[in-house]
Amino acid sequence: GESVGLHLPTLSVQEGDNSIINCAYSNSASDYFIWYKQESGKGPQFIIDIRSNMDKRQGQRVTVLLNKTVKHLSLQIAATQPGDSAVYFCAENDEYGNKLVFGAGTILRVKS
Amino acid sequence: DAGITQSPRHKVTETGTPVTLRCHQTENHRYMYWYRQDPGHGLRLIHYSYGVKDTDKGEVSDGYSVSRSKTEDFLLTLESATSSQTSVYFCAISDETGGNTIYFGEGSWLTVV
Repeated sequence: GESVGLHLPTLSVQEGDNSIINCAYSNSASDYFIWYKQESGKGPQFIIDIRSNMDKRQGQRVTVLLNKTVKHLSLQIAATQPGDSAVYFCAENDEYGNKLVFGAGTILRVKS
Repeated sequence: DAGITQSPRHKVTETGTPVTLRCHQTENHRYMYWYRQDPGHGLRLIHYSYGVKDTDKGEVSDGYSVSRSKTEDFLLTLESATSSQTSVYFCAISDETGGNTIYFGEGSWLTVV
């Protein structure tokens, strides 16, 4: 399929290990953050979101951590599987709070 | 699936020709968006709509126009396609803006030759 991440950072993990994907955001006034997963040839798929009044939120096999002090967001995937291989994007709402701004993405490769 | 259909899914067109991409939703969401995605650039907002006949520009709106005559349809038009508009175009929808999840369609691959 077409590639949308030719020059993106890449994280390679062994199947079964935990993955941590990091994202630095720029707008200290952002109060909403979201992670998307994009498989080759498909549209971005919602994974998990978090609001600024929280530090941590858990979903199924995924956890998002928010550190507002250093403007850092991370996505943890437990027991990474081959199906987790994709590009992962973080997004934050913009300075006016009415649109999402996306990061460039990180490629996750899972080795079997 | 979020109930979003994009058409066409793939198109090759010549420089200078007009192109219209269509987005159709079945979720009755108020907000609709058009993004483009290019290697190394992530997703960039072209235009968005906050209601029928209500639209606004995004960060990369030059060379594009949009129309929304019905809640369910949002059209993106390239009046005169250029090679720099070769890209993958994604439509997205949301109930609210900013602090709510937006859901994406499957994309439209456009090549301008």
